[in-house]
Amino acid sequence: QQPVQSPQAVILREGEDAVINCSSSKALYSVHWYRQKHGEAPVFLMILLKGGEQKGHEKISASFNEKKQQSSLYLTASQLSYSGTYFCGTLLIDKIIFGKGTRLHILP
Amino acid sequence: DAGVTQSPTHLIKTRGQQVTLRCSPKSGHDTVSWYQQALGQGPQFIFQYYEEEERQRGNFPDRFSGHQFPNYSSELNVNALLLGDSALYLCASSHGLAGVYGELFFGEGSRLTVL
Repeated sequence: QQPVQSPQAVILREGEDAVINCSSSKALYSVHWYRQKHGEAPVFLMILLKGGEQKGHEKISASFNEKKQQSSLYLTASQLSYSGTYFCGTLLIDKIIFGKGTRLHILP
Repeated sequence: DAGVTQSPTHLIKTRGQQVTLRCSPKSGHDTVSWYQQALGQGPQFIFQYYEEEERQRGNFPDRFSGHQFPNYSSELNVNALLLGDSALYLCASSHGLAGVYGELFFGEGSRLTVL
């Protein structure tokens, strides 16, 4: 039931692009993306609803493929502030179940 | 406008003891969800409270219990602590079930260490 994220970790140089993937064995109604910086609370980035519009954040956007039960998070021209762990969450009977996370480290 | 507040921020207990963690939701929110986050892992759903009742529960033993008060604040209780209960406990609030269709607001968490 827990969504699977890939890759587990990414190291980028500032200005490079990254893609984080999230897949589920269950049919998806929505996908939720959060970012957690070290020692801080997870912060909401966006939600993608089945058949609905995707909501972007800064230079971060995402896609949602309902048929493949997958979502991808796109970080364009990454900034140092993008460093952190990214979690995708899927809706399961009115609760959000999170994946194990993808650690993103941006080098100057 | 205060966000989600949790207390205590850090605590150390020994095996077999009991612990109570507290959470005050963001103003205007009436639903509280609790998550356990082990080091290097994603948040694991424990349970959710709405209208002072437990609405959803994750795969956690009965040693984990909770409560929601009329002012929407919530407590998480863990009895007979095990070493494996060491983790960051996160509280997330939302306005009704809208949170599952929108944004969860997380607190900074309570870091529990069991020795």
